[in-house]
Amino acid sequence: ETGVTQTPRHLVMGMTNKKSLKCEQHLGHNAMYWYKQSAKKPLELMFVYNFKEQTENNSVPSRFSPECPNSSHLFLHLHTLQPEDSALYLCASSHEGGLTDTQYFGPGTRLTVL
Amino acid sequence: AQTVTQSQPEMSVQEAETVTLSCTYDTSENNYYLFWYKQPPSRQMILVIRQEAYKQQNATENRFSVNFQKAAKSFSLKISDSQLGDTAMYFCAFMKRIDMRFGAGTRLTVKP
Repeated sequence: ETGVTQTPRHLVMGMTNKKSLKCEQHLGHNAMYWYKQSAKKPLELMFVYNFKEQTENNSVPSRFSPECPNSSHLFLHLHTLQPEDSALYLCASSHEGGLTDTQYFGPGTRLTVL
Repeated sequence: AQTVTQSQPEMSVQEAETVTLSCTYDTSENNYYLFWYKQPPSRQMILVIRQEAYKQQNATENRFSVNFQKAAKSFSLKISDSQLGDTAMYFCAFMKRIDMRFGAGTRLTVKP
C-alpha cells in the first residue's frame, strides 16, 4: 500500500483559498492519473500524464490545475473551488499508461470545500 | 463513450458463502481490459482481478473469479468462501488505452 502516497490525507479549504494536492509513486511507473470520487457517483478520470506529458483532460474546470514535474510526482493545484468540488481525490500510477497496464491507487485526499 | 453499470448498490453475504457481483458495460471496441477493484473502508483501492477481452478463459485469483461474457458485455465477480476482510466497495472498471471508466460500485458486507 505504500507504492503510491498522497498528501495531505484530509484538507478543508474555503472557496477563496489556494491549495495543492501531492502524489508520489515509488513503483518506477511512467503514467500518473488524477481521479475524483464523489459520493454515489462513479470515479471520474480527471487528468492523465504519460511520460510527464498530459495526454487526457476530461473537460475538467480550470480551477483544477495539474502539474507533473517528473514521472514520480504529480500535483493538483486548487483555486477558487466550489462546495460541489468536495470529494475524495485519488491518484494512481501505471507502468506506461498503455492498454495492458494495471493502475495502482493511492489512499486519496479527502477534500472539503466550505 | 464507454459506460460501466453496476446494478447492485449494496449486497451482503454470510461468511464462508459465495456471492456474485454484477457488472455490464457498453462499448464498440473489440480490444480492451476489464478490472475489479476493491476499496475497503478507509483504505485505498486495490486491484482484485483483471480480464483481457481477447482471452476467452475467465480470470481467477484464489477465491476471486470472473464470468466474462463478451457478447453480452457482462463481467461479474464471484467471491467464494467469503471472509470478513472482503467487506468493501467493489468497483468494476473498463479500460481502453489510457481511458479508464468505473462503475458506481457495489457495497459488499460480509456477515459473521
